Amino acid sequence: ETGVTQSPTHLIKTRGQQVTLRCSSQSGHNTVSWYQQALGQGPQFIFQYYREEENGRGNFPPRFSGLQFPNYSSELNVNALELDDSALYLCASSQGLARIEEQYFGPGTRLTVT
Amino acid sequence: GQQLNQSPQSMFIQEGEDVSMNCTSSSIFNTWLWYKQDPGEGPVLLIALYKAGELTSNGRLTAQFGTTRKDSFLNISASIPSDVGIYFCAGLPSHNAGNMLTFGGGTRLMVKP
Repeated sequence: ETGVTQSPTHLIKTRGQQVTLRCSSQSGHNTVSWYQQALGQGPQFIFQYYREEENGRGNFPPRFSGLQFPNYSSELNVNALELDDSALYLCASSQGLARIEEQYFGPGTRLTVT
Repeated sequence: GQQLNQSPQSMFIQEGEDVSMNCTSSSIFNTWLWYKQDPGEGPVLLIALYKAGELTSNGRLTAQFGTTRKDSFLNISASIPSDVGIYFCAGLPSHNAGNMLTFGGGTRLMVKP
């Protein structure tokens, strides 16, 4: 186990609704990255938080937003859900921005939008 | 945006056989990584490569950072049933300021017992 936890494990929402996913980073890690993994595809980078600030963002619309808290846990919020938002949402935590080999992924939250 | 093309998309192999998969990009990457993802879990790092031409092993796994910096290869020797899963390549482009990975589409490995 990596020490990165995500909640909930599974979630079903209706198109147009809003959802909040949560990630607890591994102890000592101050950086959290979020990825979207559609069925049968590789993960796609959404955004990254470093010391409570957004450090970078992938090609996702503004209705995808996030937060990082003083304890370095993080939330991913998605507004106005669309059917294509159905995916596994992964978070990964690391200590700082440099050591990619020390970035660990959580098990993900499976979101289904109907 | 940047894309990593991974092949093959899936493969069936006989237990004990060697496996090869590769990943190519139209742009340069400074770091190449190979992950394995099992059902219900997040990707787990297998091998990280930092230098063009680098060849690195992790048990039965060997990966290479292509000399053009636009490709990488993963080999698994003497496959066993627990090698089943999806293997992803991932890269960090040269301008990357953090651990923001670009992933390939994955190679699904299925082993015949």
